[in-house]
Amino acid sequence: EAGVTQSPTHLIKTRGQQATLRCSPISGHTSVYWYQQALGLGLQFLLWYDEGEERNRGNFPPRFSGRQFPNYSSELNVNALELEDSALYLCASSFRRAATEAFFGQGTRLTVV
Amino acid sequence: GESVGLHLPTLSVQEGDNSIINCAYSNSASDYFIWYKQESGKGPQFIIDIRSNMDKRQGQRVTVLLNKTVKHLSLQIAATQPGDSAVYFCAENIGDSNYQLIWGAGTKLIIKP
Repeated sequence: EAGVTQSPTHLIKTRGQQATLRCSPISGHTSVYWYQQALGLGLQFLLWYDEGEERNRGNFPPRFSGRQFPNYSSELNVNALELEDSALYLCASSFRRAATEAFFGQGTRLTVV
Repeated sequence: GESVGLHLPTLSVQEGDNSIINCAYSNSASDYFIWYKQESGKGPQFIIDIRSNMDKRQGQRVTVLLNKTVKHLSLQIAATQPGDSAVYFCAENIGDSNYQLIWGAGTKLIIKP
């Protein structure tokens, strides 16, 4: 069974550009979560999608946005990139909301120069 | 505000010994706690969870203890093996079906041969 897959693995952008990160959940999972993990730090919750809708949002500016498609895959978009956006972006998926265990992908390493 | 913190950023343990990783949380309303393991270059992997109506839960070679009186969580790993080398994160969930976990910074577990 395929796990959570994220693409690209690495992404290098310049300040001011936009970045698009993609996530494919485990088959059957309807919830997708996005996290930002800065170097040496814990995971910061970004967004939670379930059944195509945004269910909750972390304490991030509006230039962090995303969506979930009918097949439950998801995109994270970061506009007007700043140097401090450089981090590992992790996607996790689980069964419907109120699920417990979530499975994580390998992450996308975003570097803003 | 709410926070989940770890007492020690790095823990060195002799192979074969037991490891104890500690975590403090500050939100008394948290009802669900998870431990994740993150190996280098990989996404976090679920280890074990515990709900606030429990004090102890055991898995395979791992035990999680929850002390709600002092808001303390610990992960015990029995007979530590080289494959246990990783960063361990504790996380808390504050109520209902909201999967907005609050994460600690992580403890790096180093296994000495």
